[in-house]
Amino acid sequence: KNEVEQSPQNLTAQEGEFITINCSYSVGISALHWLQQHPGGGIVSLFMLSSGKKKHGRLIATINIQEKHSSLHITASHPRDSAVYICAVSDNYGQNFVFGPGTRLSVLP
Amino acid sequence: EAGVTQSPTHLIKTRGQQATLRCSPISGHTSVYWYQQALGLGLQFLLWYDEGEERNRGNFPPRFSGRQFPNYSSELNVNALELEDSALYLCASSLRNEQFFGPGTRLTVL
Repeated sequence: KNEVEQSPQNLTAQEGEFITINCSYSVGISALHWLQQHPGGGIVSLFMLSSGKKKHGRLIATINIQEKHSSLHITASHPRDSAVYICAVSDNYGQNFVFGPGTRLSVLP
Repeated sequence: EAGVTQSPTHLIKTRGQQATLRCSPISGHTSVYWYQQALGLGLQFLLWYDEGEERNRGNFPPRFSGRQFPNYSSELNVNALELEDSALYLCASSLRNEQFFGPGTRLTVL
């Protein structure tokens, strides 16, 4: 069974700072997902990646398959980025999702 | 394009009762997933339906069940409710391995 870990557990940053959230997993996967959950509970899928790097606006996600590690970066952070960021992996069949515990980010103005 | 919808938004039940939660996937999506997020805990996979069949279930007792209808909408049923079933229940629909989440149903068991 895949184990997914995230660090840090909590993160407080000042507006404008560069932020990195890390995710590691124990077993080979077909894809890794970064999700964003706002205080109301709604979840938005930010990225799905199986290799390399993806960029969307101020968000960048990278994955190193050999090291079983992924990072989510937020450039020029803003208070509206405050949320819980969850890493999830799907197995070789692409259907069984295992979630990390989440990283709670607070960006202060 | 409409996203994943869930109903009801909130549901209050008492111990021993049954709860039924509903989910409508994005048009064209055939897979529906159910997740439980208890207070202070991470997301836990509950059930996966695809093309009307249950494909996989997480580590939950049999009183958690569901079904998927021909139009790909889905129901999650929780029988004999227990206090610890209080949680946010999220549904997601999927096409080609990417999941799209609904807003969730917050179930409170008193």
